[in-house]
Amino acid sequence: AQSVTQPDIHITVSEGASLELRCNYSYGATPYLFWYVQSPGQGLQLLLKYFSGDTLVQGIKGFEAEFKRSQSSFNLRKPSVHWSDAAEYFCAASTGGFKTIFGAGTRLFVKA
Amino acid sequence: DVKVTQSSRYLVKRTGEKVFLECVQDMDHENMFWYRQDPGLGLRLIYFSYDVKMKEKGDIPEGYSVSREKKERFSLILESASTNQTSMYLCASSFGPQGLHFGNGTRLTVT
Repeated sequence: AQSVTQPDIHITVSEGASLELRCNYSYGATPYLFWYVQSPGQGLQLLLKYFSGDTLVQGIKGFEAEFKRSQSSFNLRKPSVHWSDAAEYFCAASTGGFKTIFGAGTRLFVKA
Repeated sequence: DVKVTQSSRYLVKRTGEKVFLECVQDMDHENMFWYRQDPGLGLRLIYFSYDVKMKEKGDIPEGYSVSREKKERFSLILESASTNQTSMYLCASSFGPQGLHFGNGTRLTVT
């Protein structure tokens, strides 16, 4: 069955430290891959997406993600976290149709 | 920037009421979606529409219906609201496989 797994339910990092959020997918073929961010009480915002080509993808708000086919992973990174990055992050996958499968989310806490 | 607007941020309704959740997008996207989001259950697709007057069931359509009379507007209808429909409802639109654009959500409480 198709699935998206985010192994970490929550992560705490210090402001200014680097961040990596993990995402693994299970699909028959490489799906389209996405990262979304959700601030409290808000909808989800698309951070970045991977369709094909360069495996390092740049997104908004200084985020990037790296696609690794051999590991079926699409991890999100940021070199220096700001307090405003505290939110919930969702990895998602789609085969290009109408169904998007979301991971369970990773809640990011940022400490001063 | 794509703007997806949900008409209400918070709604409180009584059991048995008919509830309408409205969603409007301003980017001429052909695809529109309704999700509900619950703690521990993540995002679940209720219905989607790929064109005016076209609709398809998602993963949890029971107790819901939808209407898409105009391309920019997608309505979710709870025919007879029940307490287990208390949730955050998220509308989204997309152009092809380019990723979803979400509204800010409607937090519905059914008492």
